[in-house]
Formats: sequence, structure tokens, C-alpha cells
Amino acid sequence: GQQVMQIPQYQHVQEGEDFTTYCNSSTTLSNIQWYKQRPGGHPVFLIQLVKSGEVKKQKRLTFQFGEAKKNSSLHITATQTTDVGTYFCANSGGSNYKLTFGKGTLLTVNP
Amino acid sequence: NAGVTQTPKFRVLKTGQSMTLLCAQDMNHEYMYWYRQDPGMGLRLIHYSVGEGTTAKGEVPDGYNVSRLKKQNFLLGLESAAPSQTSVYFCASSWTGGKGEAFFGQGTRLTVV
Repeated sequence: GQQVMQIPQYQHVQEGEDFTTYCNSSTTLSNIQWYKQRPGGHPVFLIQLVKSGEVKKQKRLTFQFGEAKKNSSLHITATQTTDVGTYFCANSGGSNYKLTFGKGTLLTVNP
Repeated sequence: NAGVTQTPKFRVLKTGQSMTLLCAQDMNHEYMYWYRQDPGMGLRLIHYSVGEGTTAKGEVPDGYNVSRLKKQNFLLGLESAAPSQTSVYFCASSWTGGKGEAFFGQGTRLTVV
């Protein structure tokens, strides 16, 4: 897979505030996946984006894939304490077999 | 439907000891992966398999070996454990390799002293 950079590494918000994490690549990505890992848990798949400019929504979560397919974002509207965890982006690169993860963004929410 | 099951869940090893981590999936997936997770490093791919009888190296394969003798099982071996291998290990499986959802096991927390 191709290396992706995730920013920020950490984000602390007050409950009700919005949150955004970004995943950036220097090369074009064939796809981007997003996972959530709760503290002490395992990564759980959220969504996959494959098309240029694609936008998908899951309740308060909005996922975007950039027009150039070099970046992606995950936006959470009005965070809740249940949103706490680490959010990872991942991509397959050119191999189709491997799945390479970014370093993740740890979100903490103050109630 | 158990999904992906890892055993053991916790283990403490002494430097130089060997052990095998077992990953079993009941979804008939072709692709299976072993990752390690360390603070601030994300998930790093150790080895992976694209089908029964196949294995390939990932980003950090040194010090580990793997085998996929049966489609449903993917074993990760540490021949001579080192403190640098203290980590949380996750197994994952997928229908479509890197092009589709990966399902993760609960993880194995390994400490090498």
C-alpha cells in the first residue's frame, strides 16, 4: 500500500463540537477505507471510498475523497462521548492484496 | 458466527522463548493479515496471505514467520522473542484483499521481558 499521513495525531473536543481528521497521500490512491478503534478494542470498518470527489454519510459522520484522489477526510458533527476512539484511514495501494494503515487520529471527547 | 478469533488474548514471554499466535476465521475469506500495533505507530503489516498455502512479507516481517496450511487458519510464529516484539497483535481477514472490508480479531497483547 501507499504511505498515507493522518493529521492530527490527537484531538480533544468538548461534547457537541465538530471533529475532522485528514488522510493525505503524495500519490493517487485507488481507494480509501476508514476504521474506528475504541479504546481497548479492535479496528472496525466504517466505509470505503473509491471515486474521485465521492462523499458518503453515515448519520453524523461524513466521509470525503478528494477530486485528485490524494486525500480524504472524516468529519463528525456534534461529537458524542460514544465517538471516542482512534480513527484510521487505510488503502490498498497498487497491490490489491495489502491493506496499509495510517497512524490514526485519537479523538477524546469531554462530556 | 464467530468471525475472526485470536488465541491467546494475553501472553508474557521471556526473551529468547518462542510462541505461536493462532488466528481462525469462519467466513471463508481468502485474504488474511497479521498486524502489530504500537503506540503512535498505527497498524503495521507483518505478513499476509492471499490464499491457502501462500504467505508474503509485509512492512515489518523480521523476527516473525507465518503459515497458512488451512484456509481458515493463519499462524504467526516468534522463533526467539525480543523485547522489541512487545506489542498488540491483530489478525484480520478479507474477501477482496485491500479492496474491501477487513474484519479484525480481538487482538493478542504480548509482553516480552
